[in-house]
Amino acid sequence: RKEVEQDPGPFNVPEGATVAFNCTYSNSASQSFFWYRQDCRKEPKLLMSVYSSGNEDGRFTAQLNRASQYISLLIRDSKLSDSATYLCVVIGPYNQGGKLIFGQGTELSVKP
Amino acid sequence: DTGVSQDPRHKITKRGQNVTFRCDPISEHNRLYWYRQTLGQGPEFLTYFQNEAQLEKSRLLSDRFSAERPKGSFSTLEIQRTEQGDSAMYLCASSLPGQGNLYGYTFGSGTRLTVV
Repeated sequence: RKEVEQDPGPFNVPEGATVAFNCTYSNSASQSFFWYRQDCRKEPKLLMSVYSSGNEDGRFTAQLNRASQYISLLIRDSKLSDSATYLCVVIGPYNQGGKLIFGQGTELSVKP
Repeated sequence: DTGVSQDPRHKITKRGQNVTFRCDPISEHNRLYWYRQTLGQGPEFLTYFQNEAQLEKSRLLSDRFSAERPKGSFSTLEIQRTEQGDSAMYLCASSLPGQGNLYGYTFGSGTRLTVV
């Protein structure tokens, strides 16, 4: 089983749609959680951190459920510029070097 | 430019040749990570350094791969006797200990390797 698993893609949605991505992680001792965005042939860039209390940044809302080991990202009123691959990322336990562990990514395509 | 810098951006090499990539982290970041990303997959951890010490190597890092960070600043990743399966994007990231947990890591633009 992969350490971080994401919804298979691609997601094809019209502009203005709401889209949700889900992710699960296997190590209950994981300490930090993020969503990264990656444009085609570019490096991953941090989109937002994810907290148990939930956090929002404009049209983006991230949620963490530690009991279920589940992370989500909601994008409201999607724009053409939101088209990218979204990577669910976990930092493992302190004794595992604090390295980022990535899911395989979910591709989003927003159409006019 | 104060970001993470990688060189070269692209490398095409013939199978069997050796290649070396360089990463210059953000100044004063003492943690440096190397990742590999193939098409349709997320980045996979290869190795990381704290200052000049290489603290962990993934099983993905076969004996043909070696990484160094001699003075705790820039790092090099060398692949010997390249194989077609080595074709990938090689990404470098840096962080200060503790801050990565809060803010994630900053990645360089990557080196795209094509082995022909």
